[in-house]
Amino acid sequence: AQSVTQLDSHVSVSEGTPVLLRCNYSSSYSPSLFWYVQHPNKGLQLLLKYTSAATLVKGINGFEAEFKKSETSFHLTKPSAHMSDAAEYFCVVSDHQEAAGNKLTFGGGTRVLVKP
Amino acid sequence: DGGITQSPKYLFRKEGQNVTLSCEQNLNHDAMYWYRQDPGQGLRLIYYSQIVNDFQKGDIAEGYSVSREKKESFPLTVTSAQKNPTAFYLCASSPGVAGGPIAKNIQYFGAGTRLSVL
Repeated sequence: AQSVTQLDSHVSVSEGTPVLLRCNYSSSYSPSLFWYVQHPNKGLQLLLKYTSAATLVKGINGFEAEFKKSETSFHLTKPSAHMSDAAEYFCVVSDHQEAAGNKLTFGGGTRVLVKP
Repeated sequence: DGGITQSPKYLFRKEGQNVTLSCEQNLNHDAMYWYRQDPGQGLRLIYYSQIVNDFQKGDIAEGYSVSREKKESFPLTVTSAQKNPTAFYLCASSPGVAGGPIAKNIQYFGAGTRLSVL
């Protein structure tokens, strides 16, 4: 079984300061990990993915995430927040079992507020 | 323009009524998914389909039904048995096994349908 825990339901940052969104996962198999972003009343957009290549993954819009197997973590960071980063962010895990039908398990989400 | 189209954007259901949410994709993806999103709960899987004419229940299938008669279409019906249907519904697709070991897991999402009860 797989699960995802996003440690903060809300994060508030000032524009131009770093952003850190924390995610811990559990998986019985070698997982794929993703971060998605959702702006209000919109669908989800893929920010980045980890698939057992490099442990530091770079995504779109200046985001990156580091896979740490020993800590079962996949935290998302950005060095300098922009107002447009205000959104909800989801950490997602998928194992590689064929029988699972490529099912994704979503964290509860972290809502990011960016203050001017 | 390749992508996933959900319609309508907003939908209202009366008591005892079945309603159908549309999801169409032109990405030539094998797999399609329906999720329900409630505030503060992330996304929960309702149904998924890995291939035409086949689909499986997800974690919260009760009160919902689907069909997959065409590769590009995966409509979701919210039946009168679903007692709490108010939510944001998201459709997604992925290449599936045909996409290879890395791409198969990546899901692409539509813009969603917000369903409310009158």
